[in-house]
Amino acid sequence: GQQLNQSPQSMFIQEGEDVSMNCTSSSIFNTWLWYKQDPGEGPVLLIALYKAGELTSNGRLTAQFGITRKDSFLNISASIPSDVGIYFCAGPPRSGTYKYIFGTGTRLKVLA
Amino acid sequence: KAGVTQTPRYLIKTRGQQVTLSCSPISGHRSVSWYQQTPGQGLQFLFEYFSETQRNKGNFPGRFSGRQFSNSRSEMNVSTLELGDSALYLCASSPRTLTGELFFGEGSRLTVL
Repeated sequence: GQQLNQSPQSMFIQEGEDVSMNCTSSSIFNTWLWYKQDPGEGPVLLIALYKAGELTSNGRLTAQFGITRKDSFLNISASIPSDVGIYFCAGPPRSGTYKYIFGTGTRLKVLA
Repeated sequence: KAGVTQTPRYLIKTRGQQVTLSCSPISGHRSVSWYQQTPGQGLQFLFEYFSETQRNKGNFPGRFSGRQFSNSRSEMNVSTLELGDSALYLCASSPRTLTGELFFGEGSRLTVL
């Protein structure tokens, strides 16, 4: 079946560093969503992207909708300990549906 | 505005039993989706309801079913539980009629013994 590949799978970073992660698809997406999930909790929506090339920020987070429509990127600036968690990308492989596919996740660990 | 509410948060069942999980969406949201999350398979789509109608269904056996009520609240049921059904079941609601943001609840953690 269709998959969303996220990289890296996990990363350790120092507090204060910037973080970059990406998500790629084998087919075109018209919507990209980025989520963060803490242990034992549901995913929390960080950023939603709806247009190719779109760059959207939410505090220290910035996400971009790739111009090929097959990828998306999430950057976290000046990381802090509470950024620890798993970050997921998601999107619908077909327009006009809520049947979303989720990426495999990027596990972020921040060293104080 | 209250978020998506799921009950129960935790439950333990034995093989062969059935379970019903409940989801109350954010007020005004008419689309409700259900996902299963496991360490091995990640987040997988179960089904989506809008105005009491199932619009999409994932690749799960018929033991997994759901419904939506007129007030948009939704339930999902799993019958004849198997060990592999142990997972975090997540409900999400959406404000748009078609494709948009998904807002998740905290999930129902099901353990099948």
